Amino acid sequence: AQRVTQPEKLLSVFKGAPVELKCNYSYSGSPELFWYVQYSRQRLQLLLRHISRESIKGFTADLNKGETSFHLKKPFAQEEDSAMYYCALRARNAGGTSYGKLTFGQGTILTVHP
Amino acid sequence: DSGVTQTPKHLITATGQRVTLRCSPRSGDLSVYWYQQSLDQGLQFLIQYYNGEERAKGNILERFSAQQFPDLHSELNLSSLELGDSALYFCASSRSGRLGDEQYFGPGTRLTVT
Repeated sequence: AQRVTQPEKLLSVFKGAPVELKCNYSYSGSPELFWYVQYSRQRLQLLLRHISRESIKGFTADLNKGETSFHLKKPFAQEEDSAMYYCALRARNAGGTSYGKLTFGQGTILTVHP
Repeated sequence: DSGVTQTPKHLITATGQRVTLRCSPRSGDLSVYWYQQSLDQGLQFLIQYYNGEERAKGNILERFSAQQFPDLHSELNLSSLELGDSALYFCASSRSGRLGDEQYFGPGTRLTVT
């Protein structure tokens, strides 16, 4: 079974400060990790995925298999980054393929103060 | 809007009743997923369909059922509703449902059971 843990329910920072949203996972196989963002009254949107290794809106995340972590980082937070952030994992089944279901963490509400 | 659509937006009903939530995937997407977002459980995967067939099942109660129709839209049926079923129900779709596919989420249906 797989599990995703986001230890912080709430995270508050000031504009311009660095921000790190923590995500740890447990899965015995080779996972695919994602960060999704949900702005107020909007649908979930994919922010980034570890396999693409790209930076979206200044956010980056590195998969650390040794620590089983996929922390989301941004060097300078902006007020418009205030949102709910979900870390999610997609696993391969025993046959080596995945049917795509995502396992989500509990989410972290990020508030960036002016 | 060529994205994932869900109807209705809001639904208020009484305990013991039955409701149907509807989801239309993005054009060309064959796979549909249902997720439940509640305050205590977070975002949980319920069930996935691919081209009309059930592909994966998560924490879906026996009182809940779903199906995907030939036109690829999907319905989630919730019966014998309880107060604890109050939640935001999201639908997502992806091209094929396999590893590497991005899931696009709908705006959700907020269900309130009174």
